[in-house]
Amino acid sequence: EPEVTQTPSHQVTQMGQEVILRCVPISNHLYFYWYRQILGQKVEFLVSFYNNEISEKSEIFDDQFSVERPDGSNFTLKIRSTKLEDSAMYFCASRGLLAGGRYEQYFGPGTRLTVT
Amino acid sequence: LAKTTQPISMDSYEGQEVNITCSHNNIATNDYITWYQQFPSQGPRFIIQGYKTKVTNEVASLFIPADRKSSTLSLPRVSLSDTAVYYCLVGENTGNQFYFGTGTSLTVIP
Repeated sequence: EPEVTQTPSHQVTQMGQEVILRCVPISNHLYFYWYRQILGQKVEFLVSFYNNEISEKSEIFDDQFSVERPDGSNFTLKIRSTKLEDSAMYFCASRGLLAGGRYEQYFGPGTRLTVT
Repeated sequence: LAKTTQPISMDSYEGQEVNITCSHNNIATNDYITWYQQFPSQGPRFIIQGYKTKVTNEVASLFIPADRKSSTLSLPRVSLSDTAVYYCLVGENTGNQFYFGTGTSLTVIP
């Protein structure tokens, strides 16, 4: 079964540093997403990306965040100047059209970001 | 976007059927109902999706009444490995915003 992959699995960074989280979505999918989950809390939508541009973004996705699809396979989330409260698990997801007209999101295993 | 409400937690004994209900009073005409399962430190995993009446796949059934203001995920004969958080999401099939609620933490007891 195809899967979404994410690297690194764990990233530790100092406050104020820039981090780039990487994702490889499923190859024939067209919609890409980033979510985050603070420890013990619910999964929160950050941003969706389609046709090389942001489709939707939440209030969390402020100017410190950016996304990019630099080539045909990778999808990245950049946090320009990390804050302690950015510590969370970050999930990438991709979505494609399945038989019967149903869309299904596939999530990656996540990157645990720890800001010290 | 329709808001969803689920019980915070549920316990069940191994081998029993578990029904988790989600309330979505403001569901729109174009909205579908999707359920995800999440284990600790893993990404959510798609379980089932439906629009109306009943949908069944190899792992679960989804019951949606005629008014579509609620839905029930049914897990037959749960095992210890079904201990997880279950999320109900409501949104357009082709939409680009997906908001997870607090989910239902299911604990299966031996």
